[in-house]
Amino acid sequence: EAEVAQSPRYKITEKSQAVAFWCDPISGHATLYWYRQILGQGPELLVQFQDESVVDDSQLPKDRFSAERLKGVDSTLKIQPAELGDSAMYLCASSFGTGYEQYFGPGTRLTVT
Amino acid sequence: DAKTTQPTSMDCAEGRAANLPCNHSTISGNEYVYWYRQIHSQGPQYIIHGLKNNETNEMASLIITEDRKSSTLILPHATLRDTAVYYCIVRSSNNNDMRFGAGTRLTVKP
Repeated sequence: EAEVAQSPRYKITEKSQAVAFWCDPISGHATLYWYRQILGQGPELLVQFQDESVVDDSQLPKDRFSAERLKGVDSTLKIQPAELGDSAMYLCASSFGTGYEQYFGPGTRLTVT
Repeated sequence: DAKTTQPTSMDCAEGRAANLPCNHSTISGNEYVYWYRQIHSQGPQYIIHGLKNNETNEMASLIITEDRKSSTLILPHATLRDTAVYYCIVRSSNNNDMRFGAGTRLTVKP
């Protein structure tokens, strides 16, 4: 069964450092999402791509976060500089298109010290 | 999108049916009910979704009331591996906006 791949699974970084996460969606899925999940809460959408275009980044803290999906396949989410409050699980999901169910990867757990 | 209300936690005995309720009294006519679950330290897993008819798949059944203001996810024979947080989400068919709440923490006990 096809799965969404994410790496790394765990990342520890010091505050003010840069950090990047990678996601490879299910083949053929045009829509890709990045979510952030703080411990004890549900995931919150950060950014959504349709192919290589951003269609929703209203919740992305653009002063420090950036996301790209250059060829419309895999994607990278970057934080620079990291802050203590960024400690969370970062989840990637993909779907065939608008209105289809989303499939999630295993996530990257970020700890900022 | 309509908001949902779920109990914070529930217990279920292994082998018994787990019935997880969800209230979505402000649901609109074009909004679907989706269920996901999240096992500890993993990403959320899609379970099932429906519009107004009851749905069943290999994982669960979804019962939606006639007025669509509430629904119940049924795991017919719960196992220890079904212990997870279950999220009920209401979502329009023409957008991808999924608002996760806090969900219901289901604990299946031996």
